[in-house]
Amino acid sequence: ETGVTQSPTHLIKTRGQQVTLRCSSQSGHNTVSWYQQALGQGPQFIFQYYREEENGRGNFPPRFSGLQFPNYSSELNVNALELDDSALYLCASSTAGLAGLFYEQYFGPGTRLTVT
Amino acid sequence: GQQLNQSPQSMFIQEGEDVSMNCTSSSIFNTWLWYKQDPGEGPVLLIALYKAGELTSNGRLTAQFGITRKDSFLNISASIPSDVGIYFCAGLPGANNLFFGTGTRLTVIP
Repeated sequence: ETGVTQSPTHLIKTRGQQVTLRCSSQSGHNTVSWYQQALGQGPQFIFQYYREEENGRGNFPPRFSGLQFPNYSSELNVNALELDDSALYLCASSTAGLAGLFYEQYFGPGTRLTVT
Repeated sequence: GQQLNQSPQSMFIQEGEDVSMNCTSSSIFNTWLWYKQDPGEGPVLLIALYKAGELTSNGRLTAQFGITRKDSFLNISASIPSDVGIYFCAGLPGANNLFFGTGTRLTVIP
């Protein structure tokens, strides 16, 4: 069984640019959630994808967008990068239970994004 | 949004000592999860709790889901150097997004 993987590991971008981060879910998982973790803080929920559609969103502007593919992998896209977007971006995979609730979420190692 | 407060913020303990940390919320959660995060890595799931009052162990770790559904605690017995890291509680209010606590930074002195 393979765990959650993310790419790239590190990324440096300039303010105003666009970035795409990638995530492969753990085998057997059909749901992917994205989180932003600023230095010294807990992760903050960005959005979740289930069956290739957005299934809940946190308090992030529309320039944060995502995709989920038929193999359950996912992308996070951020447009018009700002300095405050510098953070560790975490992807977590899970699987829906019978009640439709999304239980244990397993995290990847993250992508460290630096915006200069 | 929901606020999860963890205490203590940081702890320095001697190897072999027991550790206790807790998490309180202003809102009710249906699921509590405890994670450990090492520097530069993603959080690793330690324990999941699904019912109020539930007490669950994973090796030297024990966690409980509070009766009010607004709190949870994590105990680590006989700490070892590899227990060093940041411990986060996280709650699921019944929706799909985890709300994370502020974290407890644990240092174990050999």
